[in-house]
Order: sequence, then C-alpha cells, then structure tokens
Amino acid sequence: EADIYQTPRYLVIGTGKKITLECSQTMGHDKMYWYQQDPGMELHLIHYSYGVNSTEKGDLSSESTVSRIRTEHFPLTLESARPSHTSQYLCASSEGTHQETQYFGPGTRLLVL
Amino acid sequence: KQEVTQIPAALSVPEGENLVLNCSFTDSAIYNLQWFRQDPGKGLTSLLLIQSSQREQTSGRLNASLDKSSGRSTLYIAASQPGDSATYLCAVCGETSGSRLTFGEGTQLTVNP
Repeated sequence: EADIYQTPRYLVIGTGKKITLECSQTMGHDKMYWYQQDPGMELHLIHYSYGVNSTEKGDLSSESTVSRIRTEHFPLTLESARPSHTSQYLCASSEGTHQETQYFGPGTRLLVL
Repeated sequence: KQEVTQIPAALSVPEGENLVLNCSFTDSAIYNLQWFRQDPGKGLTSLLLIQSSQREQTSGRLNASLDKSSGRSTLYIAASQPGDSATYLCAVCGETSGSRLTFGEGTQLTVNP
C-alpha cells in the first residue's frame, strides 16, 4: 500500500486567502506530481518535480506554485485564492524510472467562495 | 500532443456480466499504459501497468491488453461485482514526456446487484 498523504482533505475558504495544500510521501520517491481534476473531467498535470530543488510546470497552466525542499514533501501554494481555483487537487509520487506506476494520495477538495 | 480517449463514458451492467472498457491514444511512442480506478471523492489506485513491449497484463478478474501500433488498449473485467463500481481511468506515459502521464476522461462503471 502506498504511503502518500494529503492535508487537508477538504477546505472551504474565502476569496483572496493564501492557502497551502500539503503532500508528503514516505517511500523515498524522487518524482512527485500535482494534478487538478474538476468533477467528471480528466486529470491535468499542473506541477511536477524530479527531485529536491527541482520543480517544473505541467501541461495545464496554474496560478499555484510549488516547492521541493525535502524529498518527502511537495507543498502547493495559492497566494490569493479565487472561485476559479475550486477543484480537486491530487498529489502523486513515483520512483526514478518511467517504468514505475504513480501512487496517488487521497486528494484535497478545495472550495473557494 | 498526446490525446487519450475512453469509450464509453459511462456503463451500467448487471452483476456477473463480463465487460470491456476501451482506451485509445494518438501517439504510439509510449513507455507504458496504465489503468487506474477512482472511487468517488478519492484518489487513484493503480490496477495494471503494461510496458510498451508487452501485449497484456492480468490481475485477478482484470485483464488489460495493449496494441501499441494501433494506439488502443482494453480493460476486461470478468464476472463483475457491485464493488467494481467506480471510474476507470486510462493513462499513457509518452516517450517524450519523461515520466508524466496523460489521462483519459474515464469510464464511470456501475454494477447493479
């Protein structure tokens, strides 16, 4: 069973607030990812990291930012939340090679009022 | 740009029926194809991963096939059970995308008792 955690699981917040979504994994995986998923829609990659101090933007443009200071931790930050940021955010990790599957956390459901 | 399509979008079957979910992708230059399961409001669980050199993978009542040259994969579920009800997602890892995945929109499966 994968050991990847996300907090909070649910967040309701007002427009303009700064929020940080936490993601941590205990498997020692080098690669980590953030996906955004609207209800009934496909997942879109918004950020990824291949290791400490490595971060890249994904396929879908996002106003969020990420950091990778420690291998196990990959937080996502929104400086000023807006209603358009309402979505589910899924974090995942994988080992170094492309032959390995990605392990997903339970997700954070964000609602911005 | 890789595009992944899943058919049907939704499927409802009686318990015990065998069923097939379809996935197609536009760029055959892939490292692997994966099938995931997503329960409502939850993260993704990896079901099967097929490397580009493989034709099929089996796990219990699940069998996934891959025809890389035609850009197609199928997920076969034998003797379906109500507990199989979930959304099934297909994802490909392209040769030019590192380890990043491109997802389809999923097939929402309901197995009725």
